[in-house]
Amino acid sequence: GAVVSQHPSRVICKSGTSVKIECRSLDFQATTMFWYRQFPKQSLMLMATSNEGSKATYEQGVEKDKFLINHASLTLSTLTVTSAHPEDSSFYICSARDWVSGSNEQFFGPGTRLTVL
Amino acid sequence: SQQGEEDPQALSIQEGENATMNCSYKTSINNLQWYRQNSGRGLVHLILIRSNEREKHSGRLRVTLDTSKKSSSLLITASRAADTASYFCATERGNQFYFGTGTSLTVIP
Repeated sequence: GAVVSQHPSRVICKSGTSVKIECRSLDFQATTMFWYRQFPKQSLMLMATSNEGSKATYEQGVEKDKFLINHASLTLSTLTVTSAHPEDSSFYICSARDWVSGSNEQFFGPGTRLTVL
Repeated sequence: SQQGEEDPQALSIQEGENATMNCSYKTSINNLQWYRQNSGRGLVHLILIRSNEREKHSGRLRVTLDTSKKSSSLLITASRAADTASYFCATERGNQFYFGTGTSLTVIP
């Protein structure tokens, strides 16, 4: 199946700093990518839908100024957690759909563990 | 909430037994998918069942879908210790996925 990578896999930062997480589709073009957040022992919550070349669509309750999403190319979307605080500590997972092949499957990255001290 | 509900939240069984997990959702769907997640890792796609299908098999996995009751079940037969993981259902509406609350399965060797 198609491969989606995330970088970094793990990041620890001080409160108040900004953290950028990259999501790449390695062997296919993804016009749409998705960002999820998962707290310990909980499910994945969709945060936003990232569209190549246009603004992201955020789910209700997700602060767009807090979680900046950029989808500048067909293979890369970035999520920037601005002025991170301890409550932003979570597991962030991206996914991408391979529309070109006609597959309906959504491919998930391995996740990024963010810890804000 | 657009999230689905799964039960049980946690399930512990002996190796060789069958494990059944249920998922209920709230809105109409295009399809429903089941995923597996090992602790602290990404998701692995297990199986997709379309809204016009009632049952689907893949190896030791059997999925059913009842759109009238807005529910699905995942059966893992002859479980193995390596099946220990969290299992999530995900419903697709339009372009987006919404995940259930998940079932944590522990298979005891």
